[in-house]
Amino acid sequence: QKEVEQNSGPLSVPEGAIASLNCTYSDRGSQSFFWYRQYSGKSPELIMSIYSNGDKEDGRFTAQLNKASQYVSLLIRDSQPSDSATYLCAVNIIRVTGGGNKLTFGTGTQLKVEL
Amino acid sequence: ETGVTQTPRHLVMGMTNKKSLKCEQHLGHNAMYWYKQSAKKPLELMFVYSLEERVENNSVPSRFSPECPNSSHLFLHLHTLQPEDSALYLCASSVSGAGPNYGYTFGSGTRLTVV
Repeated sequence: QKEVEQNSGPLSVPEGAIASLNCTYSDRGSQSFFWYRQYSGKSPELIMSIYSNGDKEDGRFTAQLNKASQYVSLLIRDSQPSDSATYLCAVNIIRVTGGGNKLTFGTGTQLKVEL
Repeated sequence: ETGVTQTPRHLVMGMTNKKSLKCEQHLGHNAMYWYKQSAKKPLELMFVYSLEERVENNSVPSRFSPECPNSSHLFLHLHTLQPEDSALYLCASSVSGAGPNYGYTFGSGTRLTVV
């Protein structure tokens, strides 16, 4: 079983619709969760983070976390063509010793927002 | 300069060459990371440095040699690489041992091609 799983897509949604991106993880010790957006040929950019069960909203983005089901999702409301990118889910286990925060990434879901 | 800066942006090298990738962060972070991103594969963690100490080395071949002279600078020295090492190499930084909402800030990456 992969540590972090995402559907590679592409996920196609019409402009103005809600895009729903999903991610599951295997390690129950995971503490916090991140969504990154990566445009083609560019580096990943952090757009949302969440660590408590429930929803967290930031503008058009909502992250949802269910630790019991080991599931995290990202909703994008009023999707725009500029949202077309690959969305990476990342999971963090807080280090007790040694320092640093190790993020494990999924393969990413490609989102296409069509006019 | 702000954020995380990586140089060079593109690098083409022969299998017998020696080259180095450079990363510099201006965010006051104290942990730095090297990741490898290949097509259709998740980001692969290579090395973690926290407070200038290497705390993780994910079974990376010895032809990759990291160096962290201080908390702001990170290098990846390359020698006798193979064509399969061609990939996007990403540097990232974060606050070490911080709360769960601290994700990485990535540099723009170095696109490496081994010929």
